[in-house]
Amino acid sequence: DAGITQSPRHKVTETGTPVTLRCHQTENHRYMYWYRQDPGHGLRLIHYSYGVKDTDKGEVSDGYSVSRSKTEDFLLTLESATSSQTSVYFCAIRDPNRVGYTEAFFGQGTRLTVV
Amino acid sequence: GQQLNQSPQSMFIQEGEDVSMNCTSSSIFNTWLWYKQDPGEGPVLLIALYKAGELTSNGRLTAQFGITRKDSFLNISASIPSDVGIYFCAGRGDKIIFGKGTRLHILP
Repeated sequence: DAGITQSPRHKVTETGTPVTLRCHQTENHRYMYWYRQDPGHGLRLIHYSYGVKDTDKGEVSDGYSVSRSKTEDFLLTLESATSSQTSVYFCAIRDPNRVGYTEAFFGQGTRLTVV
Repeated sequence: GQQLNQSPQSMFIQEGEDVSMNCTSSSIFNTWLWYKQDPGEGPVLLIALYKAGELTSNGRLTAQFGITRKDSFLNISASIPSDVGIYFCAGRGDKIIFGKGTRLHILP
């Protein structure tokens, strides 16, 4: 295992409520990514981080915010959940300086349903 | 923004057949990646390509990084039932941009 844990694994929430998803790594990797996966769209990048407190937007960042206050945790927040944010969310980690492991490893995903 | 066009979207093949899928981009990437995703799991890296023209194998899988740096292909030889899944290409810089995937079905 790449030492990456997503929580929760499943969540059902109501429209308009804030939701926070957590990605936790034990690998000390520098880069962390949040993707959403929807049928017909593949994996789309929401936000990513290249270090503590260093984050940037991806392709589909509207309605999402992130925070990375320490290396091991990358939080994704849906400020006011909408039904269009029903999706499977994947976190990935990467360290370009880790010999033999320079490419991204993915977590097992969080299935979020907004009702 | 950067986009990757992956084709075909899905494939139905007989066990034992060879498979070919490809990916093209509107932008140049310095690294091309191929991932496979099984149901209920996250994507798993199959092959990474770092140089234009590079041809790399991993068992029955072979991938090539196009000379223009805007395309890549993945071949699977002698398909077996466990090859079923979704295959994604990805171009990497600081961001990692994915294609929409090729869903592989194997007929008994």
